[in-house]
Amino acid sequence: EAGVAQSPRYKIIEKRQSVAFWCNPISGHATLYWYQQILGQGPKLLIQFQNNGVVDDSQLPKDRFSAERLKGVDSTLKIQPAKLEDSAVYLCASSFGAPNQPQHFGDGTRLSIL
Amino acid sequence: AQTVTQSQPEMSVQEAETVTLSCTYDTSESDYYLFWYKQPPSRQMILVIRQEAYKQQNATENRFSVNFQKAAKSFSLKISDSQLGDAAMYFCAYRSLNTGNQFYFGTGTSLTVIP
Repeated sequence: EAGVAQSPRYKIIEKRQSVAFWCNPISGHATLYWYQQILGQGPKLLIQFQNNGVVDDSQLPKDRFSAERLKGVDSTLKIQPAKLEDSAVYLCASSFGAPNQPQHFGDGTRLSIL
Repeated sequence: AQTVTQSQPEMSVQEAETVTLSCTYDTSESDYYLFWYKQPPSRQMILVIRQEAYKQQNATENRFSVNFQKAAKSFSLKISDSQLGDAAMYFCAYRSLNTGNQFYFGTGTSLTVIP
């Protein structure tokens, strides 16, 4: 079974620039999550999709972050403009819809803002 | 919102010994799921063990077992016969059956295994 695919693996940009991350979940997984993981902390949920609809985006800084999941499969997360505090690892995860099902994580994208 | 607390930022254990990582959570829900995830230095998080709140029996997966105390809202992870490959960050996670089945993660415990 192919895992959750994320790209790029690393990204370095200057503040005020824009950046986009891509995620391809495991086939058949209806739920897709984007997390921000700052060094030394646990993952913080940014947005959760159920198919192509948003379930929860309460912690997404909507003035600069946006995400979409067209056709209920792949997803992109965008930051525009980036701030220094956005430096983190951005994790994508997917799962089946049932609550007893765990999340499967991708390798993440390490973002550094200069 | 639910909160998950891991009070041990770092732990160490001698190889072949047993270590217990603690986790507590705050919730008003009666049914939910709990998970332990492991994040090795390569960064990909993988599931270690899961527990359904409605089950009184503690989950076990080979060398990994949990001590689930629902009334105390405690969910500790015990690793027996520790191996060098167990060195990683361990995250406790709570999954609500409401609020869109959202996951809530603790801040993690960094486990070092000493040869």
